[in-house]
Amino acid sequence: EAGVTQSPTHLIKTRGQQATLRCSPISGHTSVYWYQQALGLGLQFLLWYDEGEERNRGNFPPRFSGRQFPNYSSELNVNALELEDSALYLCASSPGTGGEEQFFGPGTRLTVL
Amino acid sequence: EDQVTQSPEALRLQEGESSSLNCSYTVSGLRGLFWYRQDPGKGPEFLFTLYSAGEEKEKERLKATLTKKESFLHITAPKPEDSATYLCAVQIDNNDMRFGAGTRLTVKP
Repeated sequence: EAGVTQSPTHLIKTRGQQATLRCSPISGHTSVYWYQQALGLGLQFLLWYDEGEERNRGNFPPRFSGRQFPNYSSELNVNALELEDSALYLCASSPGTGGEEQFFGPGTRLTVL
Repeated sequence: EDQVTQSPEALRLQEGESSSLNCSYTVSGLRGLFWYRQDPGKGPEFLFTLYSAGEEKEKERLKATLTKKESFLHITAPKPEDSATYLCAVQIDNNDMRFGAGTRLTVKP
């Protein structure tokens, strides 16, 4: 069974640009989660999507946004990039909406210059 | 405020030297406690889920336990390939997952 996939692996942008990160969940999983892992910091919850709807978001500014498509894949968009947005962005998926373990993808390393 | 604290930050063991990692939590409504392993530059790999105090799970050299305030990850006779960062996370209301900062484990041959 294929795991969670993310693209691209690496992304280099300059300050002020926009970044788009993509995630495909495990087949059959309807929930997708996004996390930010900055260097030396723990995983910070960004967004949760289920059945195409945003269900919850973490303590991040509105320039972090995303969406979930009918096939349950998801996009994370980061507008007006700042240097401190440089981090590993991790996507995870789970079968449903509560209490289940989340399975993570390999991440996208975003570098903002 | 919901909080997850892991200790120690780093742990160095000799191969075969058993030890325990701690995860203490203060949350308003625990839906589950999760342990993950993360290798450098990679996504976390799921290890265990614990739901209620007294619950235990085992997998190879790893055993996770849960009380009302903390969880332990016991590593028995570790091998160098067990070297990684071990993350603890608690799931609270509305699928909010709070992660600890992790324990960086190094096992020397």
